Amino acid sequence: GESVGLHLPTLSVQEGDNSIINCAYSNSASDYFIWYKQESGKGPQFIIDIRSNMDKRQGQRVTVLLNKTVKHLSLQIAATQPGDSAVYFCAENRYNAGNMLTFGGGTRLMVKP
Amino acid sequence: KAGVTQTPRYLIKTRGQQVTLSCSPISGHRSVSWYQQTPGQGLQFLFEYFSETQRNKGNFPGRFSGRQFSNSRSEMNVSTLELGDSALYLCASSYAGLAGGRETQYFGPGTRLLVL
Repeated sequence: GESVGLHLPTLSVQEGDNSIINCAYSNSASDYFIWYKQESGKGPQFIIDIRSNMDKRQGQRVTVLLNKTVKHLSLQIAATQPGDSAVYFCAENRYNAGNMLTFGGGTRLMVKP
Repeated sequence: KAGVTQTPRYLIKTRGQQVTLSCSPISGHRSVSWYQQTPGQGLQFLFEYFSETQRNKGNFPGRFSGRQFSNSRSEMNVSTLELGDSALYLCASSYAGLAGGRETQYFGPGTRLLVL
C-alpha cells in the first residue's frame, strides 16, 4: 500500500528522538482533523483526532496540535521507534459533509536505529 | 472484532474492461466510504454510502459508481477502465454515519488495481 510519489516530504529522525510532522489545511470550514499512519502494503491506520474546539490532544506517545489561526496541524511523536517508520497523512472533515475526508499529501517518516 | 475487509486484494484488468470491488465494514458500522490512492494525486474521496444511499460524492467521472447493501457491505464499480484508473482503492467504515461527520473512520487494506 505505498501511497506516495517521488516528491513526498521525508523526515528522518534518530531512534529515541521526538518527531514533529506538520500539515497545513486549506478549508476554514473544516472542524475535525485526523492523523493516519500508512505502512507499506496496508491501509491508513487511525492515530489520533482533534476537533476544532480544541487546540491540543494527547494520546499514547502522540500529541496533535491545532492552530486554527494559521490553519496548521502538527503531530508530535515522542521517543520515536523503528516501528513508527511509515507515511503519515493528515485529513480534514467539514461539518455536514458526512465522512468525506480531504487528505494532505503525506510525509514519510524514517527512523534510524 | 474483525477489521474492514476488501476483496480482491489485487486485480489486473485491461483497458475498456469493467471491475467490481467489494468492501465489508467492521461489524455494526453503517457508513462506508471509498477512496482512490495514487502516487500523483494522493488519497482522494470517491463516495460515501449510508443506509444504502449515496450521501456524498467526490469529483470523479460517472464511470465510477457504487452501492451499499442492507448488511452495510459495499461495492464499487469502474466501467470502461482507463490506464489512469490504476490505483489502490481503499474502503473505510465508521459506526454511526452521522451526517455531521466527525467520526473515526477505519480503513481496509485496499484493493490494488492495475490496468494494462
